[in-house]
Amino acid sequence: DVKVTQSSRYLVKRTGEKVFLECVQDMDHENMFWYRQDPGLGLRLIYFSYDVKMKEKGDIPEGYSVSREKKERFSLILESASTNQTSMYLCASTQQDPGANVLTFGAGSRLTVL
Amino acid sequence: LAKTTQPISMDSYEGQEVNITCSHNNIATNDYITWYQQFPSQGPRFIIQGYKTKVTNEVASLFIPADRKSSTLSLPRVSLSDTAVYYCLPDTGRRALTFGSGTRLQVQP
Repeated sequence: DVKVTQSSRYLVKRTGEKVFLECVQDMDHENMFWYRQDPGLGLRLIYFSYDVKMKEKGDIPEGYSVSREKKERFSLILESASTNQTSMYLCASTQQDPGANVLTFGAGSRLTVL
Repeated sequence: LAKTTQPISMDSYEGQEVNITCSHNNIATNDYITWYQQFPSQGPRFIIQGYKTKVTNEVASLFIPADRKSSTLSLPRVSLSDTAVYYCLPDTGRRALTFGSGTRLQVQP
């Protein structure tokens, strides 16, 4: 069964801490994505990557950075966590298939910043 | 950029057919539309995808009218377990895959 695995389901951090959210996929997918989900706002795209060491900003990149050193791993970094970054974070991946992408999501990481 | 509009919420009863419509623009003839289902505390999962007039699989149907300005997800005979949030995602070939706010479906007994 193909999978997208997010390393932490629940995290509690303090304001100002550096936070790493890890995502690993075992499907040899080219594209990987980070979304955040807040009540009433749906899924908002933070960053995505279509190749190793490549990254592009999504709709809400402020306060976040990403790293993709290996094809299977895409990390989301909060350099200095703030309370407004308390949210559910979802990682997804898809094969390079323009126009017919099907995203596979991880189970999510719920981050609370105190 | 294809922005989507869906109803915020819908209510239904077990056994009824539910149709959720997603409005969008700038969809080309060969652009696919994909629908996802999300349960609480889980990531969204794929339901159905298509680019032609009608697609059907074992769980749903997808209708796309000729003007391609909307698509409709049809769930036949819903059950309590279909209570979830449903998202449409038009794929215009851009790398950035951006979702709308989704539709929260509540199925009552």
